Amino acid sequence: DSGVTQTPKHLITATGQRVTLRCSPRSGDLSVYWYQQSLDQGLQFLIQYYNGEERAKGNILERFSAQQFPDLHSELNLSSLELGDSALYFCASSPDMVSGIPYEQYFGPGTRLTVT
Amino acid sequence: SQQGEEDPQALSIQEGENATMNCSYKTSINNLQWYRQNSGRGLVHLILIRSNEREKHSGRLRVTLDTSKKSSSLLITASRAADTASYFCAALGGKLIFGQGTELSVKP
Repeated sequence: DSGVTQTPKHLITATGQRVTLRCSPRSGDLSVYWYQQSLDQGLQFLIQYYNGEERAKGNILERFSAQQFPDLHSELNLSSLELGDSALYFCASSPDMVSGIPYEQYFGPGTRLTVT
Repeated sequence: SQQGEEDPQALSIQEGENATMNCSYKTSINNLQWYRQNSGRGLVHLILIRSNEREKHSGRLRVTLDTSKKSSSLLITASRAADTASYFCAALGGKLIFGQGTELSVKP
């Protein structure tokens, strides 16, 4: 158990809908990362938050957005869902960055999103 | 494109044998990390090697890093069936970028 929790575990929804995935980082970790893993694209970094502020952006679509709240939990919002958005979505957290270099990341169990 | 690329894509060995996976990356890095993923589960951090290190050990794992060749290798010695998983390298050069992974199958 990494200490990172994600809800829900599974989500099945229809095209055009909007969903929210939730992540609680390990106690004390300020950084939260979101990843998408699909068979054809592999593990793709989406976005990172550090203590409530967006820190880095990866291959995140404009239909997707995220935020990190004062209690450090994070939410990933996916809207206007398409079939191709079906994937595993992982959240990870890591301890404070020292000299700007992140430590190892601790991954949650993931949310499996199926868009039908 | 991915910062890290693993080779081979898939590897099947017998229990007790050693497994070697290679990773190449494209730009300068601060560190390189290896992760393991069991099917459909989250990734688990295995080992981190800094750019100024050449070799690191952790139990049955040995990682090497050659920054001149922009490559790393992960060796798992005396493999067990429980080592069956996908293994990813992740290169950190600002943000952590994962490769496509090597699927390791260890047959009892």
